[in-house]
Amino acid sequence: DSGVTQTPKHLITATGQRVTLRCSPRSGDLSVYWYQQSLDQGLQFLIQYYNGEERAKGNILERFSAQQFPDLHSELNLSSLELGDSALYFCASSVAERPDEQFFGPGTRLTVL
Amino acid sequence: SQKIEQNSEALNIQEGKTATLTCNYTNYSPAYLQWYRQDPGRGPVFLLLIRENEKEKRKERLKVTFDTTLKQSLFHITASQPADSATYLCALGNNDMRFGAGTRLTVKP
Repeated sequence: DSGVTQTPKHLITATGQRVTLRCSPRSGDLSVYWYQQSLDQGLQFLIQYYNGEERAKGNILERFSAQQFPDLHSELNLSSLELGDSALYFCASSVAERPDEQFFGPGTRLTVL
Repeated sequence: SQKIEQNSEALNIQEGKTATLTCNYTNYSPAYLQWYRQDPGRGPVFLLLIRENEKEKRKERLKVTFDTTLKQSLFHITASQPADSATYLCALGNNDMRFGAGTRLTVKP
């Protein structure tokens, strides 16, 4: 158990809908990262927050947004969902601002029908 | 464009042998490189980190090398066991993290 929690575990929704994925980092970790993993794309970095501020941005679509709250938990919002958004979404956390050793959560499996 | 390539999609070896996985990269100057293990349907688990000024790092049966001239990292698992069967991901770090597609290792008894 990495200490990172993600909810929900599974999510099934329809195209055009909006969903929110939630992540609680390990106790003491200030950085939160979001990744998308699909069969054909591998693990893709989406965005990083450090102590409430956006720190780095990867291949995140404009339809996606994230934030980190004062208690350090983070939410990833996915809107206008498309079939191709079906994937495993992982959250990871680390102590430092730089992405050193990261601890990954169990993931949220999103299925868009 | 930046590219990270892991030697093969799959690698099969016999128990007790040394598994060697390769990670090559282009158009990138990472400050450090990491290796993760991922089991099906689960999140990656951190194994080792090696910085750009380090040549080699070891942890129990694991060894990683980092050659910034060749732009390559080698990851070795000695005395491999069936429990080592998993997908291994290399990740390059600077201000963000970029992962390779992974190599699926199968260790046969």
